[in-house]
Amino acid sequence: EAGVAQSPRYKIIEKRQSVAFWCNPISGHATLYWYQQILGQGPKLLIQFQNNGVVDDSQLPKDRFSAERLKGVDSTLKIQPAKLEDSAVYLCASSLDTSTDTQYFGPGTRLTVL
Amino acid sequence: AQKVTQAQTEISVVEKEDVTLDCVYETRDTTYYLFWYKQPPSGELVFLIRRNSFDEQNEISGRYSWNFQKSTSSFNFTITASQVVDSAVYFCALSEEGERQLTFGSGTQLTVLP
Repeated sequence: EAGVAQSPRYKIIEKRQSVAFWCNPISGHATLYWYQQILGQGPKLLIQFQNNGVVDDSQLPKDRFSAERLKGVDSTLKIQPAKLEDSAVYLCASSLDTSTDTQYFGPGTRLTVL
Repeated sequence: AQKVTQAQTEISVVEKEDVTLDCVYETRDTTYYLFWYKQPPSGELVFLIRRNSFDEQNEISGRYSWNFQKSTSSFNFTITASQVVDSAVYFCALSEEGERQLTFGSGTQLTVLP
């Protein structure tokens, strides 16, 4: 069974530029998560989708971050404009249903903002 | 609010030594789930175990074992006869039945020296 796919794996941009990350969850998983992991810390949830609806986006900096999951499968996370402090690994995860189910993670996208 | 503490920031052992990674959690719920993930240098979070709050039996999987003690709110992870490939950051995480998100500890960097 294919795991969670993410692209790109690495991205380097200058501050104030925009960037987008893509995620394809495990087939059949209703719930999709985006996490931000700053170096030396545990992952922090940015947004959670169940099918194509947002369940929790309380920690998403909505002035610059946006995410969508239009058809309830793939998802895109965008940052516009990027700041230096956005340098981090962006992890996508999926689970069968709720957050108490096991979440399976993709390889992540390492973003460097110069 | 849920909280996970991994007090050991870094641990270094020599190959074949046993090592225990500590995890202490805080929750007000009676129903919750505990997880351990491994994050090797490649960056992907690899699921190791999920345990619900009603199952206090210790678990063994090969060289890995987990000790869940509700009395001390701990869910410790032991690697027996460690190997160089065990070198990674290990995260403990908690999800409450009523909460939507998975809360991670800050992780323990384990280095196994040859």
